Parts: sequence; structure tokens; C-alpha cells
Amino acid sequence: DTGVSQDPRHKITKRGQNVTFRCDPISEHNRLYWYRQTLGQGPEFLTYFQNEAQLEKSRLLSDRFSAERPKGSFSTLEIQRTEQGDSAMYLCASSIRLAGPYPSTDTQYFGPGTRLTVL
Amino acid sequence: DQQVKQNSPSLSVQEGRISILNCDYTNSMFDYFLWYKKYPAEGPTFLISISSIKDKNEDGRFTVFLNKSAKHLSLHIVPSQPGDSAVYFCAASLYSGAGSYQLTFGKGTKLSVIP
Repeated sequence: DTGVSQDPRHKITKRGQNVTFRCDPISEHNRLYWYRQTLGQGPEFLTYFQNEAQLEKSRLLSDRFSAERPKGSFSTLEIQRTEQGDSAMYLCASSIRLAGPYPSTDTQYFGPGTRLTVL
Repeated sequence: DQQVKQNSPSLSVQEGRISILNCDYTNSMFDYFLWYKKYPAEGPTFLISISSIKDKNEDGRFTVFLNKSAKHLSLHIVPSQPGDSAVYFCAASLYSGAGSYQLTFGKGTKLSVIP
């Protein structure tokens, strides 16, 4: 399977613990996004990488959250001192931008997500 | 304030009939719109998109219509099949200037196609 993969699929942790999630994008995709989805809502943008550079962060990404993408391949999202409000599905998406006239977008391909439950 | 709204949380349609899913947006700066389908325990799957300079895009059984003046788009599925039963998300894309095309999603509409 050459799609986006995420690990683990489920994580249950106690409040105050640190957790780390991994995302492996589609191999030729240089663009990588993290989103968070809570119950009854659509996904919300968290952060964006182009290759290894983290170019954008949402205001939703508090200082307890950190994301990396070493060498522009896989990415990790770490949450320190988890809180019950962090319970959500964390989705990773990757894309490759094709050259074209304005307007344009990149088609983002999502992984299956990591469901985090903070007790 | 929700910039992308899907006002119908659910929709039931008979197999073979047309399914119409609606989406409204408020930010006129959005320049691309996408529909994603999501099955339980899976991530969203890209379905079809339309740029802001078009009013229709078709791909097989799926057609998306954009009414820019009304800030409204709709997804038509004809004919509907039981395998189409899923949650459908409308998303709007906006180039951030720093390189990303951030997607803003609606809350989704759960489509049930009844055999």
C-alpha cells in the first residue's frame, strides 16, 4: 500500500503524559499537513511542512505541541503534558503541487488518523 | 465563526436516485473547493474538486456545481449506490502565502443510500 500511513492508530493516555504520533507520507510528496478532528466537526488545520521546513502553524497549535519532519520524509507530532481537551483524531495529509495557472490547490491525501483519548 | 457550512447533518436516499449534498461558505477569498468522503475508522478520501473560476466539474457519477455569487456549492451523485454511504465533507482551499493550501472543512453530511 503506497498511501499515507499513521502510527499508532489509537492511543490512550493519562492526563499529563507526553505522546508522539508518526506520519509516513506518500513517498514522492514533499508537502505534509497535520489536522485535528474532534467529534462532530470537520478536520482543522494544525501545521504545514514543505520538505523539512515547518512553514505554518495554526493558533490551535499551543506550545505543548511540536511537530518535526527530519529530512523531509516522515513527520512526528508530539503533545506534551496532555489535557483532556486534546482528545481528538489527529490526521496527516500529504500532497505534491502540480504547476498550473491560478487558481490552484494541492490535492491532499489523508492517512487513517491517530485517535487520541486522554483520561 | 464557521466559514464553511454543511447545514444538513444527514441525508437518506434510495439506491439509484440522485443524492444532492450542499455546502455554503462565507469567505470570498477561497479559490478552490473540494469534496472528501469518509468511512468510519478511515481518513478522508478525495472525491472531486472545482476551482473558483468554473461553475461545474464532472467525474463519472459525481458532479460538483459552484454558484460563486451565492457562495454555494453542491455535490450531485447519480445514480446513488449503497457503497456511497459515508460522511461527505466539503472543504475550501486558500493559499496562505507561505506555501500551504489550508483546507477549511464543514462539519460533514452523513449520506445513507438505502438499497
